[in-house]
Amino acid sequence: GENVEQHPSTLSVQEGDSAVIKCTYSDSASNYFPWYKQELGKRPQLIIDIRSNVGEKKDQRIAVTLNKTAKHFSLHITETQPEDSAVYFCAVRAGQAGTALIFGKGTTLSVSS
Amino acid sequence: GAVVSQHPSRVICKSGTSVKIECRSLDFQATTMFWYRQFPKQSLMLMATSNEGSKATYEQGVEKDKFLINHASLTLSTLTVTSAHPEDSSFYICSARYLAGGTDTQYFGPGTRLTVL
Repeated sequence: GENVEQHPSTLSVQEGDSAVIKCTYSDSASNYFPWYKQELGKRPQLIIDIRSNVGEKKDQRIAVTLNKTAKHFSLHITETQPEDSAVYFCAVRAGQAGTALIFGKGTTLSVSS
Repeated sequence: GAVVSQHPSRVICKSGTSVKIECRSLDFQATTMFWYRQFPKQSLMLMATSNEGSKATYEQGVEKDKFLINHASLTLSTLTVTSAHPEDSSFYICSARYLAGGTDTQYFGPGTRLTVL
């Protein structure tokens, strides 16, 4: 089955710096790669996603890049703010649409002011 | 749009009892819903895929007789933890497949924190 590795497990940055989180996956048939943000005790919130036919996608301070050949994708957050502090999960959907997401282990991002 | 609710948000029960958790898609129809379990400071682990009108598909290691899933309508899936034990204490989160305008993604419910005494 699909195996998703996420790094780093923790990331501490100063406000205004950039943060990068990387995930690798094993199944070359994977076709959908969302990123979720989860605050303590709350639901995961979809923040950005990318599909296998696109190499990069940006939404304001957040961007995701995908390298299908290397089977990795990354989340980039620029101009970080304290409210960006949370746990971020990458996920991968392998196979046909409608199948479940497989999640990475998460990255705890701390942004200090 | 794409709001998913769960009920209850918290439940405390005695060992040996059964607990039912509801997952509803409030403003869209979801032919597929998913159930995840999340232990403290860990990732979301897929338990099962719930398809409306058919039997759920369980992940390896998840006992289907212990975690009963019913997806009786396009907006409701239920998870029943039968004969709960303290090791079943966890955060249970559902998600619903959202299809609209070329989008195919999943939105999560707020989760249910189960504590088994």
